[in-house]
This record gives sequence, structure tokens and C-alpha cells, in this order.
Amino acid sequence: GIQVEQSPPDLILQEGANSTLRCNFSDSVNNLQWFHQNPWGQLINLFYIPSGTKQNGRLSATTVATERYSLLYISSSQTTDSGVYFCAVIIQGAQKLVFGQGTRLTINP
Amino acid sequence: NAGVTQTPKFQVLKTGQSMTLQCAQDMNHNSMYWYRQDPGMGLRLIYYSASEGTTDKGEVPNGYNVSRLNKREFSLRLESAAPSQTSVYFCASSRTATNYGYTFGSGTRLTVV
Repeated sequence: GIQVEQSPPDLILQEGANSTLRCNFSDSVNNLQWFHQNPWGQLINLFYIPSGTKQNGRLSATTVATERYSLLYISSSQTTDSGVYFCAVIIQGAQKLVFGQGTRLTINP
Repeated sequence: NAGVTQTPKFQVLKTGQSMTLQCAQDMNHNSMYWYRQDPGMGLRLIYYSASEGTTDKGEVPNGYNVSRLNKREFSLRLESAAPSQTSVYFCASSRTATNYGYTFGSGTRLTVV
């Protein structure tokens, strides 16, 4: 099956820093999403981004489908950005969203 | 607009007991899903329903059954709970099975003793 690899597995930063999270996938996809799981366990959809670039406030994401990777950028980090960030994909021809293992981000005040 | 609602939020079962997890969405989405999340891991798909009237197995279907009761509701049943089914269960929905973002419920934390 498809492999979804996220890096780094853990990231600890000070408030105000910028960060880049990476997602590599092993097959062509027609659906790629980024989620934030907050410390209370709630999963929030950040971006639906099978290709191209999107921005939402301090967050932005870029997917280069031909090279099979996606990047999530967080600028001017805040403590509320802490949690686990998941990348998830659906390969072409399939209907199942497959998750990576996540990047745990800790923002210290 | 409540989104995706799961009940219950917490449950403790004894080995061998049965229970049903309920999920309802009010976004008129066609596709619904059940995932489980174990400590330190990503989410794994148990079952999904691409459209009303259809259900299919995901990565880890053993020990579970599902029912797509109508377009809004998708339930997950554990017939004979086992300690290995201790997990957090998430229901999700999307407009279609392939080309839209997913909305997740708040989860059900299940412990089987």
C-alpha cells in the first residue's frame, strides 16, 4: 500500500519561530489533507491541497504532486499551535484516506 | 451547524461485552468513515461508506461491524469487545469519497478491561 512519511517526528520551538513540516508519499494521489490534532485530541482540517499552494493566516501549505511531497509552513508560532500535525492522502483510483504517523510540535512560551 | 457528532465520548467495557458507537453528520455529506487511533500512532481506517447504501472494509475491520442507517448516520458495532480494541475512535464525513476535505467528530475514548 501507499507509504506516507512525515518529518520530523518531533519539533520543539520557541514562540515566534517559524517551522516547516514535510510529508512524502509513495504513489500518485488525488487527495491530500493536513490536520492538526490539539492536546485535547480534536482533529481539525487545515488544508485540502492535492496540488498547488494555499494560505490561511499564519499557515500555508504547498503540494508538489509530481515530486510526491507536501510542506506545511507555520509562521510566528504560538503556544496554541502545539499538537500533532498529520498528513493524509488518497491514492488515485482509491477511496481510502491514509494517514502518516504525524509530527508532534511543541511551542514553548 | 454541529458538524459530526459522536456518542458516547467515553466508555468502559468488560471483555466480551458489546456496544455500538453512534455517529451523525448534518452537512449533507455522502461519505462517512470510522477510524481508530492508538497511542503515538496515526489514524487507521476501520470501515467506510462511500455513499448511502454501501459499506467497505478499511485497514483494520476485524472485530467490527458497521451500519449506514441513512445519509446522516453511520454506526460502529463491537460484538464482543477485546482489550486490543481499547482505542480512541473517530468518525468522519466528506462530501464525496475522493475529492474533498474530511470533517472529524470529537472522538470516543473506549477502554476494554
